[in-house]
Amino acid sequence: ETGVTQTPRHLVMGMTNKKSLKCEQHLGHNAMYWYKQSAKKPLELMFVYNFKEQTENNSVPSRFSPECPNSSHLFLHLHTLQPEDSALYLCASSQEDRGGYGYTFGSGTRLTVV
Amino acid sequence: TQLLEQSPQFLSIQEGENLTVYCNSSSVFSSLQWYRQEPGEGPVLLVTVVTGGEVKKLKRLTFQFGDARKDSSLHITAAQTGDTGLYLCAGARSGGGADGLTFGKGTHLIIQP
Repeated sequence: ETGVTQTPRHLVMGMTNKKSLKCEQHLGHNAMYWYKQSAKKPLELMFVYNFKEQTENNSVPSRFSPECPNSSHLFLHLHTLQPEDSALYLCASSQEDRGGYGYTFGSGTRLTVV
Repeated sequence: TQLLEQSPQFLSIQEGENLTVYCNSSSVFSSLQWYRQEPGEGPVLLVTVVTGGEVKKLKRLTFQFGDARKDSSLHITAAQTGDTGLYLCAGARSGGGADGLTFGKGTHLIIQP
């Protein structure tokens, strides 16, 4: 039990589909993050939420849409994705003022776009 | 854009040997973290270093933060097969770190029996 749970673990979707990734943390943290991990690239920060407010959006295409209904849940809504969006999508959480001391990651969702 | 360069990218050694991996940047970070990731799983935090020149030990692993807080190293003594994995360094731009971490590409470490 890592404290950060991501579902589903694996997802295969067509380019015209709409799907959502879910992340839930049980650690009482108030900051949550979406990262994309692709082969041969560093983890790429996609979205940051502090106290449910989005504070960072690193020029992520609009086909990715985050939602943070409360400090324990984070979603990533996907629509009209491209094959190059296939990657491991990682959710993480931290205390807003202690993020520099480490994040807790979920196990990720392995996404394949066909 | 702050970049973290990790070296080597790949390392395969025999059990019992020692190794060092490096994480370098031209930028200053408020803190630097090391993670280990296994296939199909998310990164797991090993250690955070905050003060320039700081050295932390975690059993056979020794972590060092450079005096200028721009680089770090991870040294493993008497490597074991269980040390196999992807080692990632990550830097925080601010003390709170809640504006996201910058990651290196990682070092793929294989310890052969």
